[in-house]
Amino acid sequence: EAGVAQSPRYKIIEKRQSVAFWCNPISGHATLYWYQQILGQGPKLLIQFQNNGVVDDSQLPKDRFSAERLKGVDSTLKIQPAKLEDSAVYLCASSLSPTSGRDEQFFGPGTRLTVL
Amino acid sequence: LAKTTQPISMDSYEGQEVNITCSHNNIATNDYITWYQQFPSQGPRFIIQGYKTKVTNEVASLFIPADRKSSTLSLPRVSLSDTAVYYCLVGDSFNAGNMLTFGGGTRLMVKP
Repeated sequence: EAGVAQSPRYKIIEKRQSVAFWCNPISGHATLYWYQQILGQGPKLLIQFQNNGVVDDSQLPKDRFSAERLKGVDSTLKIQPAKLEDSAVYLCASSLSPTSGRDEQFFGPGTRLTVL
Repeated sequence: LAKTTQPISMDSYEGQEVNITCSHNNIATNDYITWYQQFPSQGPRFIIQGYKTKVTNEVASLFIPADRKSSTLSLPRVSLSDTAVYYCLVGDSFNAGNMLTFGGGTRLMVKP
């Protein structure tokens, strides 16, 4: 079974530029998550989708971050414009069950973003 | 919102049992407790999940007291490859606004 795919794996941009990350979850997984992990910290949930609807985006900085999952499958996370403090690893995860918190999240390898 | 607190780091030796405790005083009724393992440059990997009492699988056990305000991950007979960061996650992914909260993680170092 293929895992969660993310691209690119690494990205270096200058502040005020825009960047987009792509995630393809495990086939059949209804729930998709985007996390931000700053070096030395635990992952912080940015947004959670169930199929193509947003379940939770309370920690997403909506003035600069946006995410979509138009067909309920793959997803894109965008930052526009980027700030220095956005340097982090952006992790995508997916899970099977759409109705319960008691399921396992499968994480992708992450995209390491460096903002100069 | 359920916030978690874990020890920042722990050291152990190969073959020993390791117990990592997570405190989550504000856990909600619908919240589950999940533990993940993370190696450098990789995404977290699921270890075990539970709601109450004790859960055991092939790699770990999870002990949850009746008040559910803490939980303990038990790793039997650790090896060098168990050196990683371990995260305690509390939440219910179905309810909007009940955020899935990772703790700061516990950095486990297993020595030969």
